[in-house]
Parts: sequence; C-alpha cells; structure tokens
Amino acid sequence: DADVTQTPRNRITKTGKRIMLECSQTKGHDRMYWYRQDPGLGLRLIYYSFDVKDINKGEISDGYSVSRQAQAKFSLSLESAIPNQTALYFCATQGSGELFFGEGSRLTVL
Amino acid sequence: AQSVTQLGSHVSVSEGALVLLRCNYSSSVPPYLFWYVQYPNQGLQLLLKYTSAATLVKGINDFEAEFKKSETSFHLTKPSAHMSDAAEYFCAVTTQIGASKIIFGSGTRLSIRP
Repeated sequence: DADVTQTPRNRITKTGKRIMLECSQTKGHDRMYWYRQDPGLGLRLIYYSFDVKDINKGEISDGYSVSRQAQAKFSLSLESAIPNQTALYFCATQGSGELFFGEGSRLTVL
Repeated sequence: AQSVTQLGSHVSVSEGALVLLRCNYSSSVPPYLFWYVQYPNQGLQLLLKYTSAATLVKGINDFEAEFKKSETSFHLTKPSAHMSDAAEYFCAVTTQIGASKIIFGSGTRLSIRP
C-alpha cells in the first residue's frame, strides 16, 4: 500500500459544486502539504500543516480550505469550484527534509 | 527571495546517450537543492538532494548533480539514458531542510529515443 494515499484519483465536477480531496498517510510525519500542478508551472503550494493545530496558507490559497482531522489525515476543499481550478493536486508529507507525494488527484471543473 | 529556472521544458535523447537537465537557482542565503522525478500517472519522488556537504551529489538510478555556487547551477546528469528514465524532472530549492517553503521549477520532460 502507498504511504500517501489520495482519493479520489480522478474527479469531474461542475462550476459551483463543493469538492473535497482527501489525503491519508502512514509515514507518521507531522508535516503535510497540498500542492497544485499545472502544465509549465511546476508545483505551487496551496496549504500546509505542521501538526493538527497548525495550518498555514501557501502561495495560492484563495478559493481553497483545508482540514487536518488527525495526524494522518489532511483534506482539501473547494467550496465553490471554478474552471481555473482544473489541475492535478498532490498531497505530500515531509520527513528529514524530503517530501513524500501521493499519486495525485486530477480534478476537472466544467 | 528564491527562485528556480529549468532550461528546456522538453529534452529528448537517444538511449545510451548522456542526459543533461539544467537547473539554475536564485537564493539570498545558502540554498538546499533537490531533484524530483515524476513518472507517468505517479507522484513525485526524490532523486537526490544537496545539503551543503559534498558538491557532487549522487542519487538513485545513476543520476547525479553538481552544485556550482559560482554558476548558481545544480544540473542533473546521467551518463547513459535508459528507456525507463522517460519522465518529468523537477528542480527545487529551499533555505533550510524542513522548511515549509520549497520552490519548484516548471519541470523538464525527458523523452528517450530508441
């Protein structure tokens, strides 16, 4: 089983819908991250969390929210999805300076 | 402020040829540098990292990178390309190990010709 698991792997939704992407990890790491990947732009940080009570905005947090339900779980929500949020989303944990990524959640907003 | 520039969004080499993927960084403090690889339909995984010890860093699958402060570069090389090396490669920079702010480059897609 993967150390960092994301669900769903693929999702198509419509403008205005609420979407939640879930992430769980078995690495035992305190630090968790949500990134967005767009072609030609690399990865951009949306939110990060250093522990259950510590949540921080990244460089592109507008339109997103997160919840850290437990050390192992970190979910990303789009309250009202819009087409320019169509992207590949990655959850990651951090340990010893290294990021460990999930396989990604591809979201399409029509 | 930090930044990373990867020269060439797409690089194509023949199987067995040298692989060279270019990365230049900008940082106001000594940087920590990383190369990550993303295989199709997978997440990113660490290839290698520079943490101010040896300037020549060896990673997995015979990849290596050399930190050159004078050139602000951290290019990735592999002596002999294999078909399985086809992937997207990302260079990243941060100011300290464990820092929350890790800046990624835009990525270079490596294709291998038979």
